[in-house]
Amino acid sequence: NAGVTQTPKFQVLKTGQSMTLQCAQDMNHNSMYWYRQDPGMGLRLIYYSASEGTTDKGEVPNGYNVSRLNKREFSLRLESAAPSQTSVYFCASSVLGGKGYGYTFGSGTRLTVV
Amino acid sequence: TQLLEQSPQFLSIQEGENLTVYCNSSSVFSSLQWYRQEPGEGPVLLVTVVTGGEVKKLKRLTFQFGDARKDSSLHITAAQPGDTGLYLCAGVRQGAQKLVFGQGTRLTINP
Repeated sequence: NAGVTQTPKFQVLKTGQSMTLQCAQDMNHNSMYWYRQDPGMGLRLIYYSASEGTTDKGEVPNGYNVSRLNKREFSLRLESAAPSQTSVYFCASSVLGGKGYGYTFGSGTRLTVV
Repeated sequence: TQLLEQSPQFLSIQEGENLTVYCNSSSVFSSLQWYRQEPGEGPVLLVTVVTGGEVKKLKRLTFQFGDARKDSSLHITAAQPGDTGLYLCAGVRQGAQKLVFGQGTRLTINP
Protein backbone atom coordinates (compact mmCIF):
# COMPACT_ATOMS: atom_id res chain seq x y z
CA ASN A 1 0.00 0.00 0.00
CA ALA A 2 2.28 2.78 -1.30
CA GLY A 3 -0.05 5.81 -0.90
CA VAL A 4 1.58 8.80 -2.63
CA THR A 5 4.91 8.22 -4.39
CA GLN A 6 7.15 11.07 -5.48
CA THR A 7 10.26 10.92 -7.63
CA PRO A 8 13.03 11.93 -7.45
CA LYS A 9 13.76 12.37 -3.73
CA PHE A 10 16.68 14.74 -4.31
CA GLN A 11 17.70 16.90 -7.26
CA VAL A 12 20.28 19.60 -7.95
CA LEU A 13 19.70 21.84 -10.96
CA LYS A 14 21.62 24.66 -12.52
CA THR A 15 19.80 27.95 -13.08
CA GLY A 16 17.87 27.76 -16.34
CA GLN A 17 17.61 23.96 -16.47
CA SER A 18 14.22 22.27 -16.62
CA MET A 19 12.86 19.23 -14.84
CA THR A 20 9.65 17.39 -14.05
CA LEU A 21 8.68 16.13 -10.63
CA GLN A 22 6.55 13.00 -10.76
CA CYS A 23 3.74 12.04 -8.41
CA ALA A 24 1.48 8.99 -8.37
CA GLN A 25 -1.20 7.83 -5.92
CA ASP A 26 -2.82 4.42 -5.63
CA MET A 27 -5.78 5.32 -3.39
CA ASN A 28 -8.23 6.19 -6.19
CA HIS A 29 -8.34 9.79 -4.93
CA ASN A 30 -9.94 12.42 -7.14
CA SER A 31 -7.96 15.49 -6.07
CA MET A 32 -4.21 16.02 -6.22
CA TYR A 33 -1.99 18.91 -5.12
CA TRP A 34 1.52 20.29 -5.33
CA TYR A 35 2.92 22.25 -2.38
CA ARG A 36 6.28 23.76 -1.63
CA GLN A 37 7.66 24.02 1.89
CA ASP A 38 10.12 26.72 2.92
CA PRO A 39 11.43 27.42 6.43
CA GLY A 40 9.00 29.46 8.53
CA MET A 41 6.33 29.55 5.80
CA GLY A 42 4.49 26.28 6.19
CA LEU A 43 3.25 24.69 2.97
CA ARG A 44 2.13 26.88 0.08
CA LEU A 45 -0.07 25.54 -2.70
CA ILE A 46 1.45 25.75 -6.19
CA TYR A 47 -1.20 24.01 -8.32
CA TYR A 48 -4.00 21.59 -7.75
CA SER A 49 -6.25 19.28 -9.71
CA ALA A 50 -9.72 18.88 -8.26
CA SER A 51 -10.46 15.98 -10.59
CA GLU A 52 -9.01 14.23 -13.61
CA GLY A 53 -8.88 16.64 -16.55
CA THR A 54 -8.83 19.86 -14.49
CA THR A 55 -5.99 21.94 -13.06
CA ASP A 56 -5.99 25.29 -11.26
CA LYS A 57 -3.46 27.73 -9.90
CA GLY A 58 -2.77 27.91 -6.20
CA GLU A 59 -1.04 30.57 -4.14
CA VAL A 60 2.42 30.50 -5.81
CA PRO A 61 2.08 29.21 -9.43
CA ASN A 62 4.64 31.42 -11.21
CA GLY A 63 7.47 29.46 -12.80
CA TYR A 64 5.61 26.14 -12.70
CA ASN A 65 3.33 24.08 -14.90
CA VAL A 66 1.39 20.92 -14.14
CA SER A 67 -0.16 18.00 -15.97
CA ARG A 68 -2.85 15.68 -14.63
CA LEU A 69 -1.85 12.72 -16.80
CA ASN A 70 -4.63 10.44 -15.52
CA LYS A 71 -6.43 9.86 -12.25
CA ARG A 72 -3.29 8.45 -10.62
CA GLU A 73 -0.58 10.82 -11.82
CA PHE A 74 0.04 14.56 -11.40
CA SER A 75 3.36 16.03 -12.52
CA LEU A 76 4.99 19.40 -11.79
CA ARG A 77 7.34 20.98 -14.33
CA LEU A 78 9.90 23.71 -13.85
CA GLU A 79 10.66 25.12 -17.30
CA SER A 80 13.61 27.34 -16.34
CA ALA A 81 14.72 26.78 -12.77
CA ALA A 82 15.67 29.75 -10.59
CA PRO A 83 17.42 29.80 -7.18
CA SER A 84 14.14 31.04 -5.63
CA GLN A 85 12.66 27.64 -6.49
CA THR A 86 15.04 25.90 -4.10
CA SER A 87 12.61 24.20 -1.75
CA VAL A 88 11.08 20.92 -0.64
CA TYR A 89 8.17 19.93 -2.88
CA PHE A 90 5.30 17.78 -1.67
CA CYS A 91 2.58 16.10 -3.65
CA ALA A 92 -0.67 15.24 -1.89
CA SER A 93 -3.99 13.67 -2.72
CA SER A 94 -7.46 13.56 -1.19
CA VAL A 95 -10.75 11.85 -1.90
CA LEU A 96 -12.24 15.22 -2.79
CA GLY A 97 -11.28 18.82 -2.24
CA GLY A 98 -13.00 20.85 0.39
CA LYS A 99 -14.37 20.46 3.86
CA GLY A 100 -13.26 17.61 6.07
CA TYR A 101 -11.20 15.54 3.67
CA GLY A 102 -7.71 14.74 4.90
CA TYR A 103 -4.74 14.88 2.59
CA THR A 104 -2.20 12.09 2.11
CA PHE A 105 1.28 13.41 1.38
CA GLY A 106 4.27 11.92 -0.37
CA SER A 107 7.69 12.02 1.27
CA GLY A 108 8.85 15.02 -0.75
CA THR A 109 11.47 16.08 -3.31
CA ARG A 110 14.31 18.23 -2.03
CA LEU A 111 15.31 20.53 -4.91
CA THR A 112 18.35 22.78 -4.95
CA VAL A 113 18.88 25.28 -7.78
CA VAL A 114 22.42 26.67 -8.02
CA THR B 1 0.58 37.47 5.85
CA GLN B 2 -0.41 33.96 6.91
CA LEU B 3 -4.11 33.16 6.81
CA LEU B 4 -3.50 30.80 9.72
CA GLU B 5 -1.13 31.96 12.45
CA GLN B 6 0.41 29.35 14.69
CA SER B 7 2.00 30.05 18.06
CA PRO B 8 4.50 29.44 19.32
CA GLN B 9 6.69 28.79 16.28
CA PHE B 10 9.26 26.94 18.42
CA LEU B 11 8.76 25.10 21.71
CA SER B 12 11.28 23.07 23.68
CA ILE B 13 10.14 21.43 26.91
CA GLN B 14 11.05 18.56 29.22
CA GLU B 15 9.50 15.13 29.07
CA GLY B 16 6.39 14.93 31.23
CA GLU B 17 5.33 18.56 30.85
CA ASN B 18 2.09 19.71 29.25
CA LEU B 19 1.87 22.10 26.31
CA THR B 20 -0.62 23.87 24.07
CA VAL B 21 -0.16 25.01 20.48
CA TYR B 22 -2.52 27.58 19.00
CA CYS B 23 -3.80 28.17 15.49
CA ASN B 24 -5.63 31.45 14.90
CA SER B 25 -7.27 33.29 12.01
CA SER B 26 -9.58 36.20 11.32
CA SER B 27 -11.43 34.03 8.79
CA VAL B 28 -14.11 31.40 9.39
CA PHE B 29 -13.17 27.86 8.43
CA SER B 30 -15.48 25.00 7.51
CA SER B 31 -12.93 22.56 8.88
CA LEU B 32 -9.52 22.53 10.50
CA GLN B 33 -6.94 19.78 10.45
CA TRP B 34 -3.76 19.08 12.37
CA TYR B 35 -0.77 17.33 10.82
CA ARG B 36 2.51 16.14 12.25
CA GLN B 37 5.67 16.05 10.16
CA GLU B 38 8.94 14.30 10.93
CA PRO B 39 12.28 15.16 9.25
CA GLY B 40 12.52 13.90 5.68
CA GLU B 41 8.86 12.93 5.53
CA GLY B 42 5.59 14.46 4.44
CA PRO B 43 2.93 15.66 6.91
CA VAL B 44 0.66 13.00 8.38
CA LEU B 45 -2.93 13.79 9.29
CA LEU B 46 -3.71 13.60 13.03
CA VAL B 47 -7.28 14.86 13.19
CA THR B 48 -10.01 16.83 11.42
CA VAL B 49 -12.51 19.03 13.29
CA VAL B 50 -15.57 20.37 11.53
CA THR B 51 -18.03 21.63 14.18
CA GLY B 52 -17.57 24.80 16.22
CA GLY B 53 -16.71 23.88 19.81
CA GLU B 54 -15.77 20.32 18.85
CA VAL B 55 -13.20 18.53 21.01
CA LYS B 56 -11.38 15.40 19.85
CA LYS B 57 -8.93 13.30 21.82
CA LEU B 58 -6.20 11.09 20.43
CA LYS B 59 -4.49 9.40 23.40
CA ARG B 60 -2.55 12.25 25.09
CA LEU B 61 -3.45 14.79 22.39
CA THR B 62 -6.58 16.96 22.68
CA PHE B 63 -7.77 19.06 19.76
CA GLN B 64 -10.34 21.82 20.01
CA PHE B 65 -12.13 23.86 17.34
CA GLY B 66 -13.20 27.32 18.47
CA ASP B 67 -16.89 28.12 18.80
CA ALA B 68 -16.66 30.71 16.02
CA ARG B 69 -14.60 28.32 13.83
CA LYS B 70 -11.75 30.82 13.54
CA ASP B 71 -9.22 29.07 15.76
CA SER B 72 -8.04 25.73 17.05
CA SER B 73 -5.70 24.39 19.69
CA LEU B 74 -3.65 21.26 20.25
CA HIS B 75 -2.93 20.26 23.85
CA ILE B 76 -0.43 17.52 24.70
CA THR B 77 -0.45 16.01 28.18
CA ALA B 78 2.70 14.49 29.67
CA ALA B 79 4.79 15.06 26.54
CA GLN B 80 7.18 12.31 25.44
CA PRO B 81 10.30 12.47 23.22
CA GLY B 82 8.32 10.65 20.53
CA ASP B 83 6.06 13.73 20.27
CA THR B 84 8.95 15.71 18.80
CA GLY B 85 8.18 17.06 15.34
CA LEU B 86 6.66 19.86 13.28
CA TYR B 87 2.96 20.37 13.97
CA LEU B 88 0.93 22.04 11.24
CA CYS B 89 -2.61 23.31 11.36
CA ALA B 90 -4.49 23.57 8.09
CA GLY B 91 -7.98 24.60 7.15
CA VAL B 92 -10.53 25.03 4.42
CA ARG B 93 -12.14 28.46 4.49
CA GLN B 94 -15.89 28.57 4.33
CA GLY B 95 -16.94 28.43 0.68
CA ALA B 96 -13.47 27.45 -0.56
CA GLN B 97 -12.04 24.16 -1.76
CA LYS B 98 -8.35 24.46 -1.02
CA LEU B 99 -6.49 23.59 2.17
CA VAL B 100 -4.25 26.35 3.53
CA PHE B 101 -1.53 25.77 6.11
CA GLY B 102 -0.14 27.64 9.07
CA GLN B 103 3.62 28.12 9.28
CA GLY B 104 4.02 25.30 11.80
CA THR B 105 5.19 24.79 15.37
CA ARG B 106 8.48 22.97 15.84
CA LEU B 107 8.20 20.97 19.05
CA THR B 108 11.16 19.40 20.84
CA ILE B 109 10.65 17.17 23.88
CA ASN B 110 13.86 16.65 25.84
CA PRO B 111 14.35 13.41 27.81
